[in-house]
Amino acid sequence: QKEVEQNSGPLSVPEGAIASLNCTYSDRGSQSFFWYRQYSGKSPELIMFIYSNGDKEDGRFTAQLNKASQYVSLLIRDSQPSDSATYLCAGGGMNRDDKIIFGKGTRLHILP
Amino acid sequence: NAGVMQNPRHLVRRRGQEARLRCSPMKGHSHVYWYRQLPEEGLKFMVYLQKENIIDESGMPKERFSAEFPKEGPSILRIQQVVRGDSAAYFCASSPPVSSYNEQFFGPGTRLTVL
Repeated sequence: QKEVEQNSGPLSVPEGAIASLNCTYSDRGSQSFFWYRQYSGKSPELIMFIYSNGDKEDGRFTAQLNKASQYVSLLIRDSQPSDSATYLCAGGGMNRDDKIIFGKGTRLHILP
Repeated sequence: NAGVMQNPRHLVRRRGQEARLRCSPMKGHSHVYWYRQLPEEGLKFMVYLQKENIIDESGMPKERFSAEFPKEGPSILRIQQVVRGDSAAYFCASSPPVSSYNEQFFGPGTRLTVL
């Protein structure tokens, strides 16, 4: 059974600080990983995807992938109250047509 | 707006009725995925379709649920003889045909309530 695990939170971070969200996955064959943001009552929004070991930066967001440890993380710098949401980690398979497995998400609260 | 469209946004059905949920993918996308999300739960994969083909239906319940993506028109998720346990948010996502990594873009969802 392929699984993606996340701490459900809530994770509380002061405004302006760095929020660190973590995710582990069970399928060593997974090649691509995605971070989605979901506001309450809304649909998931893709914010980052990563497929190579190391870091990938996009604005205030940095995704980190360590395939040896089967670990993915998302860092949010200069956290804003608008970053308060649930963040879903997801992993794809070896092939393009393999389904994506989602974690249950981590709730993030940015404290003003 | 060329985003993924879903309708209706809210659907109320009584037990035993049928529910039909529609999804139009983003312009240029040919891959459609359906997910179900219960409160405080993650997204559960249901089915993956391309035009006129079901690629992976491993997440679909064996009975009462079906999906199609015809050559013309939207993808449809059909739930027959709904029960209270079918109440959930149903999301559709699409991805482009030439993507190597299957990044998926979600529609606004249909909230199904079964009375």
